[in-house]
Amino acid sequence: QVQLVQSGAEVKKPGASVKVSCKASGYTFTDYYMHWVRQAPGQGLEWMGWINPDNGGRNYAQKFQGRVTMTRDTSISTVYMELTRLESDDTALYYCARVQQQFVQALGYWGQGTLVTISS
Amino acid sequence: QSVLTQPPSTSGTPGQRVTISCSGSSSNIGSNTVNWYQQLPGTAPKLLIYRNRQRPSGVPDRFSGSNSGTSASLAISGLQSEDEANYYCATWDDSLNAAVFGGGTQLTVL
Repeated sequence: QVQLVQSGAEVKKPGASVKVSCKASGYTFTDYYMHWVRQAPGQGLEWMGWINPDNGGRNYAQKFQGRVTMTRDTSISTVYMELTRLESDDTALYYCARVQQQFVQALGYWGQGTLVTISS
Repeated sequence: QSVLTQPPSTSGTPGQRVTISCSGSSSNIGSNTVNWYQQLPGTAPKLLIYRNRQRPSGVPDRFSGSNSGTSASLAISGLQSEDEANYYCATWDDSLNAAVFGGGTQLTVL
């Protein structure tokens, strides 16, 4: 079965960077796009971008352009999301999510989420 | 301010049918299919409806989706207490070249 297991919670200071990992299993890693979505405490869902694990192609939300980098390591079926120049507003639960099927944007499989807390 | 507009909250009694609306524009709902997610408290979102009206395996047929023009709706029939959750609509926006979510609707089962 499809599983997405994310790295553990992080506490960072303003201005620092964070890198969250998402290890996939149960399917062919390179066959499905992976997206990142975040959720601030008590707030809604916010899309950050996607990565194509096959060729590394990426598309980021304009809001995060210049601050976010999504990468992948096909040898260990893992995608990464790095966010730099962290601010208090970046405190959120960060999810990786795989598309339901090829050529469909719907996010059918989600990681458990990684809580990133920005605190001085 | 979300690109897609949903009512912040709605409610219903067990057995009732409720609908949740999602309003967008020509660059998003008017051009692309809509997905719906259910988020129970303290859990990751779950895909409920994709491509406007398709249900992933395991999702009861009490949940149905529809759309018309630049709006979409999620209908839940035979409301159950376990349906109490936040519901989000989502689609792609061609102008933003980005996925967009609605602000979410909190469903309370009275």
